[in-house]
This record gives sequence, C-alpha cells and structure tokens, in this order.
Amino acid sequence: DQQVKQNSPSLSVQEGRISILNCDYTNSMFDYFLWYKKYPAEGPTFLISISSIKDKNEDGRFTVFLNKSAKHLSLHIVPSQPGDSAVYFCAASKGGSEKLVFGKGTKLTVNP
Amino acid sequence: DVKVTQSSRYLVKRTGEKVFLECVQDMDHENMFWYRQDPGLGLRLIYFSYDVKMKEKGDIPEGYSVSREKKERFSLILESASTNQTSMYLCASSLSASGYGYTFGSGTRLTVV
Repeated sequence: DQQVKQNSPSLSVQEGRISILNCDYTNSMFDYFLWYKKYPAEGPTFLISISSIKDKNEDGRFTVFLNKSAKHLSLHIVPSQPGDSAVYFCAASKGGSEKLVFGKGTKLTVNP
Repeated sequence: DVKVTQSSRYLVKRTGEKVFLECVQDMDHENMFWYRQDPGLGLRLIYFSYDVKMKEKGDIPEGYSVSREKKERFSLILESASTNQTSMYLCASSLSASGYGYTFGSGTRLTVV
C-alpha cells in the first residue's frame, strides 16, 4: 500500500521554463513533507521541506506547495536549469515517527 | 555538516557470499537507516536503528541483517548474497525526530554475480 505516490516517472522541460513535480499522499497523519534530489551514483540530498501548518515554502528557485485537503504537494522549480536534471523524491513523516516514507521518484530532464 | 560515509562505492560479489556494507556518521545521530534503490521501485527501507544495539525491520528485511554496536556505525549484512540483491544501497542518519529529515551517504552499488 503506497502511502506516498509520485505518479509521473519522468518529466522533461526546456531550460528557463517551470518544472512542476507532483506528489500525493494517503495518510492524513503525515505532518511534515520533504523533497530530495538524487543524481546518478550519489546519495539523495535534501532540497526543501514544508510543515503541515504551512501551505507554501520557498527557497530560491524552489517552492513547495501543500494542499492538505487534497493530500497533494508539488515542487516548482523556476527557472529550470540543466543542472536540475535528477531524480526527485517526495517524502513524508508523522510526528513522533523516526521514519520517512518515500515516493518512487520522478526523473526530471531539463533540456538546454 | 553531517557526513555519512559508506565504505565502498562499488562492490562485486559472488552468489552465496556473505557481504558486509558499512556506514559511519559523524554527528551523533540517534537514527540510522539502510535503503535500497531500484529503478521503478524508489527507495525501500530494509532496516533501521534508533539506538545502539536496537534495530527494527523495514519493508524488505528478508535476506538481510544489521548490526549497530556503536552509535556512529550501522552495518548491513547480506547473509548469502543472491543476484536479486544487486542494487544501489543507501545509508542515512537523522536526529531523533524525523522532521529533521535524513542525511544520506553516497551509496554502494552492489553487483552479485
């Protein structure tokens, strides 16, 4: 039973345009959400997070939006750059739990 | 910055061998995790540990065991390696509350032949 779903295995965008990566979750107890970026042959690195008390968090070119009623979050990258090409994982956690639950990832390709 | 170090980047082992994957973190984190990453399957939790000598099974523990004798070190053991354990293995650590997120190591690409 997949609690965190990234329904798009891949996404391709042009350099300079917006990239929107989507993530849905089923467990209403999740209260913290994170995005990780992973390059080939490297470990994932933390990108941005959002608490369930917020609906938006911004860090430079990266913005995460949270819609609790829809159990949906999205990562916006503006403008997209070729160096953003990577696999992006959405993750969620419940308060008091040590574990993150990860989605299966979306491979983003930004074309020059 | 927290550093999580995995002892090997690439390993090739034979079927039936006992394989040890080592992970060390340098920031006194309580929690440590082992994941494997496979195409189309994302990150799957094998085992995790929230304290020395403590361990809990993740989603896919079959064929694996772990050891945590010291806080900074978490070892993954493949008791008898099989070809379906060919994968990228990722170690991570975190502070006590998961809201702080994980810091991952660079991964070990294991090939079982």
